[in-house]
Amino acid sequence: GQQLNQSPQSMFIQEGEDVSMNCTSSSIFNTWLWYKQDPGEGPVLLIALYKAGELTSNGRLTAQFGITRKDSFLNISASIPSDVGIYFCAGQLTPGTASKLTFGTGTRLQVTL
Amino acid sequence: KAGVTQTPRYLIKTRGQQVTLSCSPISGHRSVSWYQQTPGQGLQFLFEYFSETQRNKGNFPGRFSGRQFSNSRSEMNVSTLELGDSALYLCASRSGGTKNTEAFFGQGTRLTVV
Repeated sequence: GQQLNQSPQSMFIQEGEDVSMNCTSSSIFNTWLWYKQDPGEGPVLLIALYKAGELTSNGRLTAQFGITRKDSFLNISASIPSDVGIYFCAGQLTPGTASKLTFGTGTRLQVTL
Repeated sequence: KAGVTQTPRYLIKTRGQQVTLSCSPISGHRSVSWYQQTPGQGLQFLFEYFSETQRNKGNFPGRFSGRQFSNSRSEMNVSTLELGDSALYLCASRSGGTKNTEAFFGQGTRLTVV
């Protein structure tokens, strides 16, 4: 099945550093979502983006909906140990009604003290 | 408000058997989607149910089926299990309204086929 291209695949950073990751698609989406997943758990929604060019923050997280509607970016500022996990982007094509999420390949984030 | 509840959390089945997984969405949500997560294929969309009707389907064989009840609870069934069906099965709940709405996931059911 289709997966969006997400990079980097994994990151090993020090506590306090800023993190950037991005997601690209060959097709347009109307909605971009960012999720974080801990081992053995379901993905937890972090941020939702609905308009091209939109920039949205949630605490230390900031995400942007690319103006081409084919990409999205997630930044985490001042990382802390609990940021460890796998981050997934997801694109949704059809607003509201019949829809499905197409997920990225994931970015594994590891934080050292 | 309770979140999305999936049962059971873990399941071990033998090849050839069938299995039924359950999902209770967030109260008031009418849309339930199912996803399969494996290390090789990542998160893949199985199907979506809204008001007891399947309204979107992914590229999975007919062995994968589902249904939704009048209280929006949903079940997913996999028949004639294969080793490759071992995966984390996730259920996502959405309000299903006409505006863009976020999907909220349950903790998943870890299915192991031996």
